Amino acid sequence: EADIYQTPRYLVIGTGKKITLECSQTMGHDKMYWYQQDPGMELHLIHYSYGVNSTEKGDLSSESTVSRIRTEHFPLTLESARPSHTSQYLCASSEQGGGETQYFGPGTRLLVL
Amino acid sequence: DQQVKQNSPSLSVQEGRISILNCDYTNSMFDYFLWYKKYPAEGPTFLISISSIKDKNEDGRFTVFLNKSAKHLSLHIVPSQPGDSAVYFCAASAENTNAGKSTFGDGTTLTVKP
Repeated sequence: EADIYQTPRYLVIGTGKKITLECSQTMGHDKMYWYQQDPGMELHLIHYSYGVNSTEKGDLSSESTVSRIRTEHFPLTLESARPSHTSQYLCASSEQGGGETQYFGPGTRLLVL
Repeated sequence: DQQVKQNSPSLSVQEGRISILNCDYTNSMFDYFLWYKKYPAEGPTFLISISSIKDKNEDGRFTVFLNKSAKHLSLHIVPSQPGDSAVYFCAASAENTNAGKSTFGDGTTLTVKP
């Protein structure tokens, strides 16, 4: 069973606020990912990491930033939230090496007013 | 340009019948394909996968078929159960290129009616 956690599950916040979405996994996976998904749309990769101190931007441009100081922790930060950031944010992890089965957290639904 | 497409946004099937979900891809470098299932308010969970060296993989009620020449894969669920009602995402990756990242389709919402 996958052990990957995201907090908060739901967040309603005003424009201009700084927010951090938390993601932690207890499986010791080296690879971690952040996706953004709108209803009825595909999952868009916005950030990924292959290990501690490794972060890369994904296929979809995002104003968010990430850090990977510890293997188990991969937080995503928005310095100044805007209504266009309203979406669902999904965190995932996978083992290093071949095969890309990803384990997803429950997601954070963000609403920026 | 969307590299992984699921052209049917929704599918409704009677309980006990077969559900067939389809997925098309354009990138010939993709060599590993996965299906994920997503319930509302939860993250996707891995369902079944197939490597490009195979054309079929079966796991219980779930079978994935791969047609490389047509760049098409399908997920068969038989018999379908009401608990299978969820959004199904197709994903593809190229292990030796693109750093093994997965590309996802838009998803197909399956409804299995009792």
